[in-house]
Amino acid sequence: EAGVAQSPRYKIIEKRQSVAFWCNPISGHATLYWYQQILGQGPKLLIQFQNNGVVDDSQLPKDRFSAERLKGVDSTLKIQPAKLEDSAVYLCASSLAGQLSSYEQYFGPGTRLTVT
Amino acid sequence: SQQGEEDPQALSIQEGENATMNCSYKTSINNLQWYRQNSGRGLVHLILIRSNEREKHSGRLRVTLDTSKKSSSLLITASRAADTASYFCATVPMTTDSWGKFQFGAGTQVVVTP
Repeated sequence: EAGVAQSPRYKIIEKRQSVAFWCNPISGHATLYWYQQILGQGPKLLIQFQNNGVVDDSQLPKDRFSAERLKGVDSTLKIQPAKLEDSAVYLCASSLAGQLSSYEQYFGPGTRLTVT
Repeated sequence: SQQGEEDPQALSIQEGENATMNCSYKTSINNLQWYRQNSGRGLVHLILIRSNEREKHSGRLRVTLDTSKKSSSLLITASRAADTASYFCATVPMTTDSWGKFQFGAGTQVVVTP
């Protein structure tokens, strides 16, 4: 079974520029997550989708970050404008649908963003 | 804020030795999961333990959960160089609305030298 796909793998941009990340979850996984992982820290949940609806975006900096999941499959995460502190690895994960997150999450390889 | 806190932050052992790391959390949980992350890669799920379970095994991994102390431990027996990675615990708080809300700790960096 194919895993979670993410692109690009690496991105370098200047501050105030915009950037977009793409994620394709495992087929059949209704739940999709975007995480931000700053070097030396654990992943921080930014947003969670259940099919194409947002379940939790409480830690998403909505003034600059946006995400969508069209048709309940692929998802994009956008940052506009980027700040230096947005330098991090952005991880996408998916899991089978289920409340109380009883299911394990499958992670993609991540996109390493460097903002200069 | 991070719900799970791993201890120690870093661990260096030799091949064949056992590695033990701990995770403490603050609020009641539905389940606790352990993940491994190799350098520059995504996280890989290792094991899930539910709040009504006390111990689980998977190959060379043994996880315990003590809900009274709000802590969990991960033991890797007979470690190998390939076990070199960061290990994270992730908790799902027990609330009336627990969609997702995975909370990862800062991780334990394990280095296994041949």
